[in-house]
Amino acid sequence: GAGVSQSPSNKVTEKGKDVELRCDPISGHTALYWYRQSLGQGLEFLIYFQGNSAPDKSGLPSDRFSAERTGGSVSTLTIQRTQQEDSAVYLCASSLLRANTGELFFGEGSRLTVL
Amino acid sequence: GDSVTQMEGPVTLSEEAFLTINCTYTATGYPSLFWYVQYPGEGLQLLLKATKADDKGSNKGFEATYRKETTSFHLEKGSVQVSDSAVYFCALSLNTGTASKLTFGTGTRLQVTL
Repeated sequence: GAGVSQSPSNKVTEKGKDVELRCDPISGHTALYWYRQSLGQGLEFLIYFQGNSAPDKSGLPSDRFSAERTGGSVSTLTIQRTQQEDSAVYLCASSLLRANTGELFFGEGSRLTVL
Repeated sequence: GDSVTQMEGPVTLSEEAFLTINCTYTATGYPSLFWYVQYPGEGLQLLLKATKADDKGSNKGFEATYRKETTSFHLEKGSVQVSDSAVYFCALSLNTGTASKLTFGTGTRLQVTL
């Protein structure tokens, strides 16, 4: 498709398990972002990629969170030893690297529920 | 740090009513300002933006003016429709030159009824 694609759309897991969330950005978009949307809170920045490198990881909440991007395209956000407070909607967005217009294109998100 | 504060919702209006959603910001530099909208079951999408003081962004009947003196970017629409029911997010970007990392507010849910 033409938009940002995320999978799974819904994930229910048990506390302590690892989860992987996938993002497929718009073709040609070299910048990729992960945000988290928790109930009653705004969007919280997690990490962004320029190509395959991540110049800004400042939003990752703990060392249980990691992300990688391969081939300048697909990205995976991994949460190890999940906790209940990790329950949220994880949003991926992409943009043209040097457009600098502020327009990010978002996927529909992956809703994570940790029991 | 940089932050965005917007009015809490939900906001409930009758169709054709006037809408204002307040947004104020704190930033160390000169940000660009945005309103994003999230319709039910869809991803966030850009509604409008303004990149410098006194600019007015507009789209789909919505408007917002970048007010540097009051650090505000309030969203307005003269006559809302049921189809405008959504969550609206105010955001800023400091335009680092190599990315468009956005700082978002908490969102305001708008419910428009007949």
